[in-house]
Amino acid sequence: DVKVTQSSRYLVKRTGEKVFLECVQDMDHENMFWYRQDPGLGLRLIYFSYDVKMKEKGDIPEGYSVSREKKERFSLILESASTNQTSMYLCASSPPWEYGYTFGSGTRLTVV
Amino acid sequence: QQQVKQSPQSLIVQKGGIPIINCAYENTAFDYFPWYQQFPGKGPALLIAIRPDVSEKKEGRFTISFNKSAKQFSLHIMDSQPGDSATYFCAASPNTGNQFYFGTGTSLTVIP
Repeated sequence: DVKVTQSSRYLVKRTGEKVFLECVQDMDHENMFWYRQDPGLGLRLIYFSYDVKMKEKGDIPEGYSVSREKKERFSLILESASTNQTSMYLCASSPPWEYGYTFGSGTRLTVV
Repeated sequence: QQQVKQSPQSLIVQKGGIPIINCAYENTAFDYFPWYQQFPGKGPALLIAIRPDVSEKKEGRFTISFNKSAKQFSLHIMDSQPGDSATYFCAASPNTGNQFYFGTGTSLTVIP
């Protein structure tokens, strides 16, 4: 069964900390995405990547950066965590020739 | 601004009822319209999808109706069951890539 694995289900961090959210997929997909999910706002795209070392800004990239050094791994980085970054973070991947994502189970991040 | 508008925000139906969730979009470049189902603690999973060249698609108890001229599409769940209780997201993707724009989600509760 294909999988997108997010390293942490729950995370609590302090304001100002640098936070790393890790995502690994085992499907050899080229495309990977980071979304945040907030009640009433749905899923909003933060960053995405179509290939190793490539990255593109989504709709809400401010305060975030990403890293993709290997095809299977896509990391989301909060440079200096703030309370308004408390959210559910979802990673997804897809091959370039198909529509439709496979999502991970999400990381619920709380910044205190 | 929200590229895909979804309603209602929440829905409660009796078992056997037919909940209907509606979505609307403005961008005529969108050419792929999936629906995702999300259970608590899980990431969204692709449920069913449609392209604009057809007006309806059925998969089991789930049906998408698509109105290209009105730029609207909806999800119907026939003979709904308590196990269908979940959050449902509509989405749309342009033909230039597979970045998706999601609706804000509908929380469906099916009462036994």
